[in-house]
Amino acid sequence: TQLLEQSPQFLSIQEGENLTVYCNSSSVFSSLQWYRQEPGEGPVLLVTVVTGGEVKKLKRLTFQFGDARKDSSLHITAAQPGDTGLYLCAGAKYGNKLVFGAGTILRVKS
Amino acid sequence: DTEVTQTPKHLVMGMTNKKSLKCEQHMGHRAMYWYKQKAKKPPELMFVYSYEKLSINESVPSRFSPECPNSSLLNLHLHALQPEDSALYLCASSQSDRFNQPQHFGDGTRLSIL
Repeated sequence: TQLLEQSPQFLSIQEGENLTVYCNSSSVFSSLQWYRQEPGEGPVLLVTVVTGGEVKKLKRLTFQFGDARKDSSLHITAAQPGDTGLYLCAGAKYGNKLVFGAGTILRVKS
Repeated sequence: DTEVTQTPKHLVMGMTNKKSLKCEQHMGHRAMYWYKQKAKKPPELMFVYSYEKLSINESVPSRFSPECPNSSLLNLHLHALQPEDSALYLCASSQSDRFNQPQHFGDGTRLSIL
């Protein structure tokens, strides 16, 4: 059973377009983390959201945590080829055990 | 550069071989993790060590044997692996295993079983 539903699974867009990735669950998480992973590398933490309704910005990336702490979104404004990668959301459970969503493969074409 | 160092980067082994994967961090983190990741899939947790003691084993087959010799090192001993064990093996660490501690990942060891 996939506890975190992430969508879309694949996204191919032109440079300059905006996009949103969604992460949804029926479970409440104490926090949600977003990672980006490039080929041949490990996941790199982008942000951790902890408080329901929280919004965090990282340059052109905006992260939201739902009020009920069951869902999160990642919005990228004016995507660039350097944004290409696998985006993963992960919820923290007991023992700091991370439950990952299926991932979104983003390709930004120049 | 990642602060979690994994060696080797690539490993090819036969099903009867014994090998070990190594992970090292010098951030003073007291929780360390092993994950398995198949291509274009998310990482799957295998083991968690907290203060050098095994705290979580996600029902991993005994052909994978973790070891934490000290707070900076984490090993994964491999024996009699199967072709389906071919994957990227990721190590991660966090300050502790309490909630919300961000995990820092190494770049992984790409393992191929012949």
